[in-house]
Amino acid sequence: DQQVKQNSPSLSVQEGRISILNCDYTNSMFDYFLWYKKYPAEGPTFLISISSIKDKNEDGRFTVFLNKSAKHLSLHIVPSQPGDSAVYFCAASASHAGNMLTFGGGTRLMVKP
Amino acid sequence: GAGVSQSPSNKVTEKGKDVELRCDPISGHTALYWYRQSLGQGLEFLIYFQGNSAPDKSGLPSDRFSAERTGGSVSTLTIQRTQQEDSAVYLCASSLYQVLMNTEAFFGQGTRLTVV
Repeated sequence: DQQVKQNSPSLSVQEGRISILNCDYTNSMFDYFLWYKKYPAEGPTFLISISSIKDKNEDGRFTVFLNKSAKHLSLHIVPSQPGDSAVYFCAASASHAGNMLTFGGGTRLMVKP
Repeated sequence: GAGVSQSPSNKVTEKGKDVELRCDPISGHTALYWYRQSLGQGLEFLIYFQGNSAPDKSGLPSDRFSAERTGGSVSTLTIQRTQQEDSAVYLCASSLYQVLMNTEAFFGQGTRLTVV
């Protein structure tokens, strides 16, 4: 049973527009959520995170929104750039469980020039 | 070191042989994680270490897989009698674990294992 799901395997966006990547989770014990970005042949790199005590966290062009009641989070990238093309993984952890990350299946974002 | 280091970066092995994958975490990081990514799949959790102990081994796919960590630092993931379905990128990550606090994990570049 997947505890973290990314239902869109791929997303294509025009340069300059907004990219919205979605993630759903089922485990109510998760209290920390992260987004990782992965280029081919490289390990995932941390992008942005949000604690369950917040509903929004912003870092430059990247904003993560958390809706705890819906067990849903999203990553907004504005404006999207061709260099943002990568696979984005949503991850969640529970502070009482050693911060082990549970990942979603990933969404491949393609930003077209 | 500056980041998580994994070796080898690529490994091709014959079916039935044993392989050993190595991970050097970021200095001072007490938590270490192994994941694998099969072709076209997401990140599959394998095992988690806190110091030298492994509180969660639930992700190891079979008894052919084992891992150890010595000195609270380097970890090795061993796959015995490799099978073709073991082919994947094996990723190691480490984090600065703090009780009841959340921190991000940092990943190495991975070891691409191909079983032929």
